[in-house]
Amino acid sequence: DTGVSQNPRHKITKRGQNVTFRCDPISEHNRLYWYRQTLGQGPEFLTYFQNEAQLEKSRLLSDRFSAERPKGSFSTLEIQRTEQGDSAMYLCASNAGRGEKLFFGSGTQLSVL
Amino acid sequence: DQQVKQNSPSLSVQEGRISILNCDYTNSMFDYFLWYKKYPAEGPTFLISISSIKDKNEDGRFTVFLNKSAKHLSLHIVPSQPGDSAVYFCAARALDGNKLVFGAGTILRVKS
Repeated sequence: DTGVSQNPRHKITKRGQNVTFRCDPISEHNRLYWYRQTLGQGPEFLTYFQNEAQLEKSRLLSDRFSAERPKGSFSTLEIQRTEQGDSAMYLCASNAGRGEKLFFGSGTQLSVL
Repeated sequence: DQQVKQNSPSLSVQEGRISILNCDYTNSMFDYFLWYKKYPAEGPTFLISISSIKDKNEDGRFTVFLNKSAKHLSLHIVPSQPGDSAVYFCAARALDGNKLVFGAGTILRVKS
């Protein structure tokens, strides 16, 4: 059981740059979720996939954010033209289906300077 | 709109005593509640859960109580250990089962 893997663990970028994060879920899990966590807050839902289909997106996911899961395995989250307000921990989670508990990765900590 | 609220940002407890973490929710459509624990630089890990049809669930030192009429749940840790020091998140699952809604978390410090 390799768990949910996220890369990179840390990313420092300048405002206006694009960044991309990768998530590898637990292999038999067909659902994959992205959450964002800022200091003093709990994880906030961004989007989720069932296999390769993106089934729901939060209002938090502005036009600058895009997520993909092209083959129903790993997923990427891209943020274009980063802003300082994008600084947060981006968490990926997976589960085997509707209603199952989520297994989280260690997250990618983004700092936008 | 904060549908899940953890009103205590932090809690400090002596080793061996009971830790009680509280959580309130506003949406009566939530059907399942979970507690996650998070250490620094790690993702949240599942701790214990309870269905809305139950009022108590126990797993070793951890017990979760649900009061549906008050829309309140609590996590009891007995006895508390220094290794329990972490951030604890309460989460609720909507009926569609597609995502979890988290509270802001409570930092638990267990002093030895």
